[in-house]
Amino acid sequence: GENVGLHLPTLSVQEGDNSIINCAYSNSASDYFIWYKQESGKGPQFIIDIRSNMDKRQGQRVTVLLNKTVKHLSLQIAATQPGDSAVYFCGQKVTFGTGTKLQVIP
Amino acid sequence: DGGITQSPKYLFRKEGQNVTLSCEQNLNHDAMYWYRQDPGQGLRLIYYSQIVNDFQKGDIAEGYSVSREKKESFPLTVTSAQKNPTAFYLCASKSGRALNTGELFFGEGSRLTVL
Repeated sequence: GENVGLHLPTLSVQEGDNSIINCAYSNSASDYFIWYKQESGKGPQFIIDIRSNMDKRQGQRVTVLLNKTVKHLSLQIAATQPGDSAVYFCGQKVTFGTGTKLQVIP
Repeated sequence: DGGITQSPKYLFRKEGQNVTLSCEQNLNHDAMYWYRQDPGQGLRLIYYSQIVNDFQKGDIAEGYSVSREKKESFPLTVTSAQKNPTAFYLCASKSGRALNTGELFFGEGSRLTVL
């Protein structure tokens, strides 16, 4: 399957600051990328997705950036809140990276 | 409400026993998936089914079996051949059969512990 991995296993951010979670992928043929959020003990939930014909997509407080040249995907969370504390996964098709744990410091 | 339901939430089994995890969805989704998650790790695909009466092996299918007799149901059996079965198991479904598009809807997971 695709090799989808994340740079940082844990990210600590002060409440109110912006968070950036990064992801590298190896399969350049993939045309669809997706971010999920997983709270402790629960199943992952969809956050945002992006197709390869785009380099940026915005949602509510979240932005996904896609750099196909370096095969890099990032998730930006604006004004991080305590409720954003979770593990975030990037994925291609139905394959996922290891995940990054986001810890929000009050 | 539409959704995907996994049961049981917690399950204990003795070594050498088979155990079946239930996954039911009422979203009318064509495709269903089973993942395994170990502590501090990502999701690894065990099996998936894109249509009734058909399923495919994922990356770590050894020691597992599935069936897809009904569109809404995709049970996973963890057999005694699975050497390290203790894990958190997640079921998901997706509208449409294409692998490269569409979000996955996940259940709340089943935590299996082998004693």
